[in-house]
Formats: sequence, C-alpha cells, structure tokens
Amino acid sequence: KQEVTQIPAALSVPEGENLVLNCSFTDSAIYNLQWFRQDPGKGLTSLLLIQSSQREQTSGRLNASLDKSSGRSTLYIAASQPGDSATYLCAVLRAGGTSYGKLTFGQGTILTVHP
Amino acid sequence: KAGVTQTPRYLIKTRGQQVTLSCSPISGHRSVSWYQQTPGQGLQFLFEYFSETQRNKGNFPGRFSGRQFSNSRSEMNVSTLELGDSALYLCASSSDRRLGYGYTFGSGTRLTVV
Repeated sequence: KQEVTQIPAALSVPEGENLVLNCSFTDSAIYNLQWFRQDPGKGLTSLLLIQSSQREQTSGRLNASLDKSSGRSTLYIAASQPGDSATYLCAVLRAGGTSYGKLTFGQGTILTVHP
Repeated sequence: KAGVTQTPRYLIKTRGQQVTLSCSPISGHRSVSWYQQTPGQGLQFLFEYFSETQRNKGNFPGRFSGRQFSNSRSEMNVSTLELGDSALYLCASSSDRRLGYGYTFGSGTRLTVV
C-alpha cells in the first residue's frame, strides 16, 4: 500500500527566505508525482508535475526534484513571499491497472511566510 | 479554457437526507475522480470514472456512489447522510494518464451535515 509522508508538517519563515519541502513515498512504482497548493477552504492548484522518468521540473520560483529509487521528492521555493502562504501537498499516482484516477496524498505542509 | 467546475459550492443537509454533487471536467478530459477531504483524514480517494465506467473505487461505504454521463460530466451521491460525511468534496479531471498528464482539481463542494 502506497504511503506518502510530508515533512515538516508546518513551516514559518520570514519573507525572502529560500525553503525546501520534503515528500517521501513507500512504493517507487509510480507514474508521476504532482505538487499542489491549497489555500484555506479552496480547491487544489497544480504547481508541478514530474513524470517517473524525469528528475526535476521548474516553474518560476519553484523547483521540484524526484528521486524515484529512494522514494523522495523535494519542492524548493526561492525568495519566498507572503503570497506563498498556503498548504502544499504532494501526491503520487501509482503505476498499475488498479490505480486509475487514484492519487495518494501526503498530509501536507502548512507554510506561513511573514513580512 | 474553462477549468473543472463543481456545483454547488456549499450545501447544508440534515442527517438521513441524501445529496448529489456535480462535476464538469475540462473539455476533452474523460477521466473524473472524486475525493473527500477532512481535517482528520486528509484527502481520500472515493472513485474514478472514465467513459461512463467506474474503473476504481476507494474504501467508502455503499452510501457513496457516482456516475458519469456521455459528455464526461460526473455526479456523486451520498445517501442517508451522517454527521461524519461533513467534508470538502473535490473532483479532478485528466485526459489520459498514459500520456503523462496530471490532474486538475475543481474548487470543491463544502458539505455540512447537521
């Protein structure tokens, strides 16, 4: 059974800092890994999608890496801003016919960036 | 292009009632998945539909059901509501996982059972 763990559970940093969020998963047989952002009471916004054959993806100030063999992914946020405050979730899509549509999510990291 | 649309945004129901939630996927997406999000359990997978067929189902009681129409729009139904069914219900759509596309989520329906 796939399990996804995110560390830390919460993080509070001053504006301008670079930070790293961690995600680990127990089953390396995955199609892809996706990072999402969720604002309070809202839906999920996709940030980055990394295919199982890729090592990293970048979008603006965000960079996500994937080490499938060790079951780890990191989300790097450069020059953090108060608007980055949200819950960050990672989710994996397991390979195999029984995984249709089923993303397995971590519990999330609550990020607060204060001015 | 339009994103994933969920209606209604908010619902208040009484224990024992039933409720139907709707999800319209991104145009061209044939896969629709449903999730329940609660503070204690996080995001849990309910079921997935593709071309009107349920391909996968999570560990939820039979009170939770769904369907998908020929235009890929999907509905989920919860019968005999319990207080514990209060949650944010999210749907997600995707084109084809074999092509490596990810999932796009809607804004969710907040269900409160009183």
